[in-house]
Amino acid sequence: AQSVTQPDIHITVSEGASLELRCNYSYGATPYLFWYVQSPGQGLQLLLKYFSGDTLVQGIKGFEAEFKRSQSSFNLRKPSVHWSDAAEYFCAVGAQGTGRRALTFGSGTRLQVQP
Amino acid sequence: DVKVTQSSRYLVKRTGEKVFLECVQDMDHENMFWYRQDPGLGLRLIYFSYDVKMKEKGDIPEGYSVSREKKERFSLILESASTNQTSMYLCASTRGTGITYEQYFGPGTRLTVT
Repeated sequence: AQSVTQPDIHITVSEGASLELRCNYSYGATPYLFWYVQSPGQGLQLLLKYFSGDTLVQGIKGFEAEFKRSQSSFNLRKPSVHWSDAAEYFCAVGAQGTGRRALTFGSGTRLQVQP
Repeated sequence: DVKVTQSSRYLVKRTGEKVFLECVQDMDHENMFWYRQDPGLGLRLIYFSYDVKMKEKGDIPEGYSVSREKKERFSLILESASTNQTSMYLCASTRGTGITYEQYFGPGTRLTVT
């Protein structure tokens, strides 16, 4: 069965610093990978997604993620964090051909931004 | 803009009560989902529906049922609420039936069962 691991429960960075949130997945074939963000009191919003092709994908709000098949990872990055990026971030994986028609979400990483 | 609305932001119910959580989307999406969100566990899929009157169990369906009588509305039912069902409940919808489509989420309903 597919699974997603986000090893960092909570991360604190200073405003203006770079950010990397880790995501590892478990699935035999090429997965479909997503990053969602949940701002306080709101539903989840899609940041970016990867299906195939260029392994570096760009998303909204200045975020990017890199798919590394050899490491089974899809880490989210941002070169300079803004205070408004404080939120919870979820990695999700989907897989064609498994019979499962829904995504599997990770446990989330809560980002705190210090002034 | 796609909009997914949920009937209540906060709900407090007593143990044993029957609870209805309603979700409505306004973009004619085929798929609709119910998740529960708990700290440290992320989002776990309860049920989803890929068409009117069609449903499929997710990862944690026990204690829950669903109803989809109209395409835009997907209801989650707790037949007899228990304290371990205290959680945040999120509804989502997608266009199409494949997993590649973006999921649009509602703001969530925080349910407390006392």
